[in-house]
Amino acid sequence: NAGVTQTPKFQVLKTGQSMTLQCAQDMNHEYMSWYRQDPGMGLRLIHYSVGAGITDQGEVPNGYNVSRSTTEDFPLRLLSAAPSQTSVYFCASSYSTLGSPLHFGNGTRLTVT
Amino acid sequence: GNSVTQMEGPVTLSEEAFLTINCTYTATGYPSLFWYVQYPGEGLQLLLKATKADDKGSNKGFEATYRKETTSFHLEKGSVQVSDSAVYFCALSGRYGNKLVFGAGTILRVKS
Repeated sequence: NAGVTQTPKFQVLKTGQSMTLQCAQDMNHEYMSWYRQDPGMGLRLIHYSVGAGITDQGEVPNGYNVSRSTTEDFPLRLLSAAPSQTSVYFCASSYSTLGSPLHFGNGTRLTVT
Repeated sequence: GNSVTQMEGPVTLSEEAFLTINCTYTATGYPSLFWYVQYPGEGLQLLLKATKADDKGSNKGFEATYRKETTSFHLEKGSVQVSDSAVYFCALSGRYGNKLVFGAGTILRVKS
């Protein structure tokens, strides 16, 4: 049972480069989301999706795009990386019912130089 | 907006000591409250939750009670182990249950 799978685990980018962080879940969860984790700031919501074809912005969406073409996949795109996007990124999924726990991937550590 | 405040760490304890990690929140309406734990190199895992006032969540010896009058959800454990060393996050969800707001996290270090 894979749960939530994120790739890659580590990535180094130069300022201005683009890349896509991959996230897939095999639990048939309707809800998926992306968080970034920064020291002293906890986790902040970037984007989320309540089902295929539906996405919305979270607390810190600038500089990131998402799409949800299937229930299983929810990629996060950085169009032009900036040093401020150096962070650890977590994908999480859950059933959509109120109070359902989030299941997290193991994270992607991104460094932008 | 909704927010969560946790006590700053790191918290360093000896094995078998009593643990309290304070968490207070600000929210409109009636949020659900959660504690998540993150072990080194891993993602977050749900530790326990409470969905209404006076509920007590518990798991693996950890407990937390939803106190609406003090807007608190403090995490406690009577006797910590070295294996409890991790980062603990308090979180809340409002009307839309899955949009969690997290506290900054508290590092717990348990020494043998």
